[in-house]
Amino acid sequence: EDQVTQSPEALRLQEGESSSLNCSYTVSGLRGLFWYRQDPGKGPEFLFTLYSAGEEKEKERLKATLTKKESFLHITAPKPEDSATYLCAGGATNKLIFGTGTLLAVQP
Amino acid sequence: DVKVTQSSRYLVKRTGEKVFLECVQDMDHENMFWYRQDPGLGLRLIYFSYDVKMKEKGDIPEGYSVSREKKERFSLILESASTNQTSMYLCASSPHGNTEAFFGQGTRLTVV
Repeated sequence: EDQVTQSPEALRLQEGESSSLNCSYTVSGLRGLFWYRQDPGKGPEFLFTLYSAGEEKEKERLKATLTKKESFLHITAPKPEDSATYLCAGGATNKLIFGTGTLLAVQP
Repeated sequence: DVKVTQSSRYLVKRTGEKVFLECVQDMDHENMFWYRQDPGLGLRLIYFSYDVKMKEKGDIPEGYSVSREKKERFSLILESASTNQTSMYLCASSPHGNTEAFFGQGTRLTVV
């Protein structure tokens, strides 16, 4: 069965304290690994797509990486405005399979 | 920028009512999707459409139907709303296959 699992469920960081979020996946015929950011009460905002193991993408303080079984979202020197839920999704035929997200809180 | 617009941010409906949730995208995308999002369960696919008048069931289609009469518009219909359909509903679109999907702002539906 296709599945995406994210850890931890919640993460609290001090401003400037770097960390990583994990996304492990088992998706048959994976067609892309997607990262989204979601603020409370809003729809997910697209961040990155990764297609092959070894691929990396960066945007400001965020860097996403991909292996054959996992993806990581590295957050370097986070700021309070990085606080959000981060969702990972595996691309399958005609749909995305989502994990339940990591709720990140960055305290000043 | 891609824009996906859902007709309502918040809705409160009574049990048994027929409910329509509307979604419009402005990027000429072929694919459109309806998900619901519940705490601890993540986003689950209800229905998707890959072309006008075409629809496919997702993982949790029971109690829902959809309509796509125009390429830019995808409607989710709750035939007879029930309290277990209280949820956040998210519409998304993508150009084709499963490349990046872009989401609307969501509709928080409460059925009382």
